Amino acid sequence: NFMLAQPHSVSGSPGKTVTITCTRSSGNIANNYVQWYQQRPGSAPITVIYEDNKRPSGVSDRFSGSIDSSSNSASLTISGLRSEDEADYHCQSYHNYNQDCVFGGGTRVSVL
Amino acid sequence: QVQLVQSGAEVRKPGASVKVSCQASGYIFNNFDIHWVRQATGQGLEWMGRMNPGSGTTAYAQKFQGRVTMTRDTSISTVYMELSGLGSEDSAVYYCARRVAVRIPDWGQGTLVTVSS
Repeated sequence: NFMLAQPHSVSGSPGKTVTITCTRSSGNIANNYVQWYQQRPGSAPITVIYEDNKRPSGVSDRFSGSIDSSSNSASLTISGLRSEDEADYHCQSYHNYNQDCVFGGGTRVSVL
Repeated sequence: QVQLVQSGAEVRKPGASVKVSCQASGYIFNNFDIHWVRQATGQGLEWMGRMNPGSGTTAYAQKFQGRVTMTRDTSISTVYMELSGLGSEDSAVYYCARRVAVRIPDWGQGTLVTVSS
């Protein structure tokens, strides 16, 4: 079994760019797709990135995803930071052998 | 449109059980797995398990093995999640969610379960 580790929080000024990392503890990050979910207080999560780097329709192109095999991690980058981006962001992937779901611990994004 | 409507908030004493329902609409119920995810206050999302409504097949996270049971009633497009042996650490918002390919695009509104003596 693997785990996904995220920083507890990141912050940035309006208009700037922030990047959230999601590091897989064992096994290759590229073996299973990574998804990213945005969750505002009191609301259910919504998908902002799926299959490592794809955006659902309706999600701003200010959100982008990538994976880096050298650090065995996935990243979510938010550019042109806005106050509405303040939320928790959760990465998620699956176990290779049984497709059980794994979530990272979540990262709080604050806009200064 | 796809909707997942969950049952209302519950309060239980330690040691009791709770059963949360999730009624689906707007898609073919049997064709997509339903996952259950919980979130304690101020904490991250925690995957509990999944059910295939068509076959009834379930898979539970190791942490919840022996305490969680997922069932379904296909006649009313509803999946149930029952958690037994409740402790204060089980106080959380419980979500059902529909998996589509690798995404989980559809979530219920969440059900708050409070465990208190």
